Amino acid sequence: GEDVEQSLFLSVREGDSSVINCTYTDSSSTYLYWYKQEPGAGLQLLTYIFSNMDMKQDQRLTVLLNKKDKHLSLRIADTQTGDSAIYFCAERSGNTGKLIFGQGTTLQVKP
Amino acid sequence: DARVTQTPRHKVTEMGQEVTMRCQPILGHNTVFWYRQTMMQGLELLAYFRNRAPLDDSGMPKDRFSAEMPDATLATLKIQPSEPRDSAVYFCASGLVEREQYFGPGTRLTVT
Repeated sequence: GEDVEQSLFLSVREGDSSVINCTYTDSSSTYLYWYKQEPGAGLQLLTYIFSNMDMKQDQRLTVLLNKKDKHLSLRIADTQTGDSAIYFCAERSGNTGKLIFGQGTTLQVKP
Repeated sequence: DARVTQTPRHKVTEMGQEVTMRCQPILGHNTVFWYRQTMMQGLELLAYFRNRAPLDDSGMPKDRFSAEMPDATLATLKIQPSEPRDSAVYFCASGLVEREQYFGPGTRLTVT
């Protein structure tokens, strides 16, 4: 079945780059997403990538997709303390609206 | 600044009581999604609607949960009767197309 896996925790120093990784199992995934959740808040859509792309850049965010290995990553350049949050990877299968989420990676940014 | 709104933000109720959660999607969005977030299960899709018609509610316990869209500006999720295992944060999301889902702030439900 569909499954999305992420590491649970990442700690970086302010100003460094952060790389959050995700693997998925559904080869029919059409879109892959990164969401950010701050404490007590909803999920904020950061970016998404269509499955026929291998890279997307948006300001400090770079998404890399390796479709062969079913591996997605989110790189945050010049990480700031305000980037501390839980980051969720999600996949969308086919033409359904259903998103399958990973368990989330907690990013801790140390000053 | 268009946002999805949800009410109430917090709800504490006793087991057996009816709970109704409401969501106002972003104006003009035609897809609405209900998710539940728990520590154990993470984020799970409960139901989703396109143009007010339910398309998938396979993630929802049918015996006690119901989801409706009385009109394009209101989606409701009802639990009757509620149980302690329903304690979670319930999120509504909306989108103009299914590939973009914008989440509301959630309703934190505690059933004692």
